[in-house]
Amino acid sequence: DGGITQSPKYLFRKEGQNVTLSCEQNLNHDAMYWYRQDPGQGLRLIYYSQIVNDFQKGDIAEGYSVSREKKESFPLTVTSAQKNPTAFYLCASSRSDGNYGYTFGSGTRLTVV
Amino acid sequence: DQQVKQNSPSLSVQEGRISILNCDYTNSMFDYFLWYKKYPAEGPTFLISISSIKDKNEDGRFTVFLNKSAKHLSLHIVPSQPGDSAVYFCAATNNNDMRFGAGTRLTVKP
Repeated sequence: DGGITQSPKYLFRKEGQNVTLSCEQNLNHDAMYWYRQDPGQGLRLIYYSQIVNDFQKGDIAEGYSVSREKKESFPLTVTSAQKNPTAFYLCASSRSDGNYGYTFGSGTRLTVV
Repeated sequence: DQQVKQNSPSLSVQEGRISILNCDYTNSMFDYFLWYKKYPAEGPTFLISISSIKDKNEDGRFTVFLNKSAKHLSLHIVPSQPGDSAVYFCAATNNNDMRFGAGTRLTVKP
């Protein structure tokens, strides 16, 4: 079955450490996205990529980095520069040939301790 | 700059009655609108969508209405079922730039 997989589901990080969240899709989607969800707020876009080896900053990119070396993979690194990293992170993918809905992963809950 | 707004953080309805979730947007360039349903600790799942050239789209118990002049859309669920209890996100997009509302938590009571 095609889908999008995020791992791990729960992640704990000490302050000052970088951590990388995995996102893999086998839907043959060109576009991939990282969102952050905080209580009482909508999904806020961190980074997105429309094609391999290319990505753009979203609304809240500071303190995050991404790579898109393969079409299937779009890992997100939460760096120590991110001031408030504790959140629920969602990866999504979509076709790029028009306005179609996104397919979301099941999310990663990151907690900084 | 919140371009998509869901002003009701929560909604509670009785099983069998109609649930109406509302969404407003500010960007007139949006040309496609979607509703997603989300359970706790899971990713959102696509529910229903509507193109800006239409004013209504129906899929079973779910109907989305679009009022372009008012920049408003709504999701109707009828009849509501306890399994519909979830957070519903409204989304609007223009050329794959998708914006989400803050979500409305729907609780359907048996």
